[in-house]
Formats: sequence, structure tokens, C-alpha cells
Amino acid sequence: QSALTQPASVSGSPGQSITISCTGTSSDVGGYNYVSWYQQHPGKAPKLMIYEVTNRPSGVPDRFSGSKSGNTASLTISGLQAEDEADYYCSSFTSSTTHVVFGGGTKLTVL
Amino acid sequence: EVQVVESGGGLVQPGGSLRLSCVASGFTVSSNFMSWVRQAPGKGLEWVSVIYTGGSTYYADSVKGRFTISRHDSKNTVYLQVNTLRPDDTAVYYCARGGSEGAYYYYYAMDVWGQGTTVTVSS
Repeated sequence: QSALTQPASVSGSPGQSITISCTGTSSDVGGYNYVSWYQQHPGKAPKLMIYEVTNRPSGVPDRFSGSKSGNTASLTISGLQAEDEADYYCSSFTSSTTHVVFGGGTKLTVL
Repeated sequence: EVQVVESGGGLVQPGGSLRLSCVASGFTVSSNFMSWVRQAPGKGLEWVSVIYTGGSTYYADSVKGRFTISRHDSKNTVYLQVNTLRPDDTAVYYCARGGSEGAYYYYYAMDVWGQGTTVTVSS
């Protein structure tokens, strides 16, 4: 069982917006602004989309945005495009002995 | 081009060992933290280990005492020594760089990933 909880799947139509949640505890998501989001297409390496809750690396479209409230972080994708269909993972620093934890991943389907 | 390339995976019997290598180009491994993340077949990502610029190391509870991360600066390479392997260690092992942009270094986020090396533990 993953330390961070994500929905197994979400879906949306092209042009719509979707939000993926990532729920942890005060020892990880809620306690630190060190949440990251990764996109992974089948058979490919993960790609960093958001770091430190809200920041986008250069080259990541501004359709991708991150936020946090309490122990839950969120990734919002607006103006959905077909190429956004992928698995998305959140991660966070944790003060537990594990140091860094991932969520179980969310499969995004673009209808 | 900034990239990392993993090697060293293979088929190994339970209880066996391997040394995974991660060769970096386009940056120096001593300037960013370097991590290993694994993904079991059909499963999600699992953080494994990190080595920081100062040499501090941390491990997931599931591998603590069995895996060792190290760095060889002159070879610009990071290693993961994996010992006492178990079937549930079967996974693709990714090497990843701690993110940075200009002079800013990201906290606990990885921006450059290799294509992974596959470790299969089976008798």
C-alpha cells in the first residue's frame, strides 16, 4: 500500500479540465511544500511536471498546475489534450524513515 | 545533452547480488542529488535511495540494510549495490537526477531520468 493516496483513474474529454488528488499526512504532504508530480507514458521514463507544490519546470505547458490544501495536494490539467493520456504520480518528502514517498498513481484517460 | 544511462540489470537468483550503474553526461553527479526509483511490473513508482551532494545517503525501509548507493565522481557515475535480492525486488530500476534550473536546486524532485535497467529475481 502506497504512502500517498491517489484515485486509480480519472477521465475527461479534450478541452476539459481534470484534477488529480494526492492525500497524505502531516508527516509528508501536509507538513512540507515538497510535493512533486510526474507523468509517465507506457514504456517510458517518468517526466517531472510540477515541483515544490506549484512550480513548473521549463518546457512544461502552463495547462499543468499544482496546489495544496492541508494534507492533500492536487494536479490540475486544463484544456485536456490527447497526449495528456498517461499515468500520473505524486511524491513528497516525508519525515518518516522512508524519506521520500510516491502515490500509487492515477491513470488519466482522455475520452 | 543532459542524460543518465543505467546498466547492470539482469536475471539473478534469490539471495544474489548485482551492481547497477548510472553514468551521467552533461552535468556532474556531485552537483545534484541522485536517486534510484524502481517500478515493479505493472505497478507504480517506488523511491529506493538517494545520495546528496555532501555524501549523505537515505534508503527506503524495504531495502535498508540490503542496498547501498555510492558515487564515483571522477567517473561521473552513481552506483546501487543490491544484495540479498528477493523476488519482490524484481523491477525496472531508474536513475534520476535531483532537479535544477540555473542556480536553483529543486527539493526532492527529479528532472532527468534514464530509461531504466531491469532486475529480475527468480530461481
